[in-house]
Amino acid sequence: DVKVTQSSRYLVKRTGEKVFLECVQDMDHENMFWYRQDPGLGLRLIYFSYDVKMKEKGDIPEGYSVSREKKERFSLILESASTNQTSMYLCASSFAGEQYFGPGTRLTVT
Amino acid sequence: AQSVSQHNHHVILSEAASLELGCNYSYGGTVNLFWYVQYPGQHLQLLLKYFSGDPLVKGIKGFEAEFIKSKFSFNLRKPSVQWSDTAEYFCAVRPGGYQKVTFGTGTKLQVIP
Repeated sequence: DVKVTQSSRYLVKRTGEKVFLECVQDMDHENMFWYRQDPGLGLRLIYFSYDVKMKEKGDIPEGYSVSREKKERFSLILESASTNQTSMYLCASSFAGEQYFGPGTRLTVT
Repeated sequence: AQSVSQHNHHVILSEAASLELGCNYSYGGTVNLFWYVQYPGQHLQLLLKYFSGDPLVKGIKGFEAEFIKSKFSFNLRKPSVQWSDTAEYFCAVRPGGYQKVTFGTGTKLQVIP
């Protein structure tokens, strides 16, 4: 079974802090994704990566950056957290179009 | 850019009722289509997928979906729902050859015993 793990289930940060969300997959997938999930808005793609050090902006990249130094790890960075970034963050890896999701990180920015 | 519409935001059914959740997408080329489900407190997981071939696709737990190309639709169906089907359901579209997947806004299904 594919396993996608995320570093934290719950995180509380203050406005202006730099926040790192980590995601690790164990299936050697080339493609990895970061989404945010908000009620009524579904999943919105923030960034994705199709190879080590390769990244592409999704639909809502503003205020976020990513890093992929190793194939199994994809990090999402909030350079200066703001309250409107309070959300559930989902990481996924994919193979042949099918996405495998992690458990999510519920981030609250106060 | 492609978009995905799920018209039903919240559906309430009694056990044994039949289910149909609508999904329409806007993209003119070849697409791969997916339904994902998120049970309360659990990960999103794949319910079924369509890549090519028979437009009627069967998935896990008795779910099926029909791809109607002329209507740009991929509706999810189940003949008889159970309380354990209570979850949020997401339709998703991937244009052929691309990695980016676009999700719909989701439909919350509540099944009353």
